[in-house]
Amino acid sequence: KAGVTQTPRYLIKTRGQQVTLSCSPISGHRSVSWYQQTPGQGLQFLFEYFSETQRNKGNFPGRFSGRQFSNSRSEMNVSTLELGDSALYLCASRSVLGRLRAFFGQGTRLTVV
Amino acid sequence: GIQVEQSPPDLILQEGANSTLRCNFSDSVNNLQWFHQNPWGQLINLFYIPSGTKQNGRLSATTVATERYSLLYISSSQTTDSGVYFCAVGLTNAGGTSYGKLTFGQGTILTVHP
Repeated sequence: KAGVTQTPRYLIKTRGQQVTLSCSPISGHRSVSWYQQTPGQGLQFLFEYFSETQRNKGNFPGRFSGRQFSNSRSEMNVSTLELGDSALYLCASRSVLGRLRAFFGQGTRLTVV
Repeated sequence: GIQVEQSPPDLILQEGANSTLRCNFSDSVNNLQWFHQNPWGQLINLFYIPSGTKQNGRLSATTVATERYSLLYISSSQTTDSGVYFCAVGLTNAGGTSYGKLTFGQGTILTVHP
């Protein structure tokens, strides 16, 4: 089985712009979660989607949003980028509700200048 | 929310040595996983171990849920074991639906010298 695929791998954006990151889960996995990793805050949960519905949300401003499509692929969007949004964004997939083991993609490294 | 504390923060070993990494958590959990972050940033799932003991090759893990800690053992360490090891925990919500939110510790940076 192919693993979790995140695109793009690297991204440079300017303050004030918006960005969309993509995550394709492992085939058959229906849950997708997003995490932000920074040197100062470590790994922090952004949100989780299952069956196209957001099931849980972390403590991030409304500039961070996401969605999930019927094929389980997910996108997250960050609007009005700030320098502090520079981070590694990681996506994790798991099979179904009740199965908790998470598998992560290689991440998207976002740099805001 | 749940607090997760990992120790030691840094660990330097010679190849062939054994090590124990510890994860303490502040509340009851029913979801505990260990990850290894490789140099390219990807988190590799080592164990899903909310309780009990598991072994996978040179790695093993033990979680004592009632005492709120988990241990990751690395035996006969190799240079390829270098990287950051994370413990992550979660709790099924009151409605019984198993949401996947994980709270991560700050990690243990392991360096194995040849």
